[in-house]
Order: sequence, then structure tokens, then C-alpha cells
Amino acid sequence: SQTIHQWPATLVQPVGSPLSLECTVEGTSNPNLYWYRQAAGRGLQLLFYSVGIGQISSEVPQNLSASRPQDRQFILSSKKLLLSDSGFYLCAWSSKGIPYEQYFGPGTRLTVT
Amino acid sequence: QQQVKQSPQSLIVQKGGISIINCAYENTAFDYFPWYQQFPGKGPALLIAIRPDVSEKKEGRFTISFNKSAKQFSLHIMDSQPGDSATYFCAASMRSGNTPLVFGKGTRLSVIA
Repeated sequence: SQTIHQWPATLVQPVGSPLSLECTVEGTSNPNLYWYRQAAGRGLQLLFYSVGIGQISSEVPQNLSASRPQDRQFILSSKKLLLSDSGFYLCAWSSKGIPYEQYFGPGTRLTVT
Repeated sequence: QQQVKQSPQSLIVQKGGISIINCAYENTAFDYFPWYQQFPGKGPALLIAIRPDVSEKKEGRFTISFNKSAKQFSLHIMDSQPGDSATYFCAASMRSGNTPLVFGKGTRLSVIA
């Protein structure tokens, strides 16, 4: 069966510091991968999605970037965090065979101080 | 045209009652409509989904009703329980291609005893 991992689970970072969040999927190959952000009590904001290695689509222009160095690895980065980057970051995957069925990871709670 | 409008924003239901959450969409190309359930601090989980070739789908206490002509769909939770208290998101997508899901803004459901 497929499993999606995110780490770290929680992170507290000062303003201006860099960020690297990692997401990996097990049990499938060539998945579609997604990064979402959820502000406190708010909805799901799609940040990036990827249909393959090196293929990244950005949905919202901001100081975040994403990379997909390996088939089942998706990384969310920032060079300098802003207070507004605080939130719950969720990675999700879907298979090429059923791309519309998305499955979410456990999330990373980021607090920028 | 890509929006999915969800209502209400929050809902309080007595234990044993029926919870009803509504969503409306505009893009007639959408042909897959899932609902996700999210508990605090967790990633959203796929709860139930429907395709437009049926008007209703039931899984246990959860039912999706779909009205293609009105471009609306709703989630009914029968015999609501305190354990159902969560945030619910509706979404829409096209089964063809790799288009990401379009999510509603979520409904926070509280089931009180």
C-alpha cells in the first residue's frame, strides 16, 4: 500500500531564516505530487504541483519554491521566511492512473517567529 | 469559473441529527466531486466521492447528493456523532488530465451531545 511521509512534523523558525520541508511517497511510482498551505482555521491553498521529476507548476507567486529531485520526493523551500509563511503545510499525492484521487500526508506545522 | 463555493462556513448539530453541507460549482467540465474530512492537526482524508452519472452515493452514514442541472452537490451526515466533529472540504476536478482538485473553503462541523 502507499504511504506518504512529511517531516518535520513541527517547526519553529525565526523570520528571515531558510526553510526546507520534505515529502516522500512510498509504494507507488511516478506520482503526481502537491504542496498545500493551510492558514489557521482557513482553507487549502495549492502552492505547487508536479507531474514528474523536475516538472513544477506554481499556483501562487511568493517567496516559496518547490523541487522534485527524485521520483517520489517533493521539497518545499524558502530562502527567507516571512511571518505570513506560518501555517500547516500539507503534501499530497495522486497516481497517474487516478490523478483526481488525492491523498494527503500528516502535515508540517510551521510557526515563524 | 474554477471556484467551488461551500456553505455554511460553520455548523452546529445536535447528536443524532442530520448535518448538511452544500457546494456549488461553475465549470461544467468537472466530473469528479470528492469530500474530505479533516480533524485538527491532521491531513484531510478522502471521505466519499461521486461522479455526475449518479445522483446519490451512500457510504454508511455519509451520503452525497448531486444535482447536475443546478451544478450543486451536498454531503449529508445522518445520525451525526461527536466523533464527526471536523472540518469538511468539498472539491471538484476533471478525471481526464492531471488537473489539481479545486477545493471549497471548508465547513467546520461541531456535533454536540
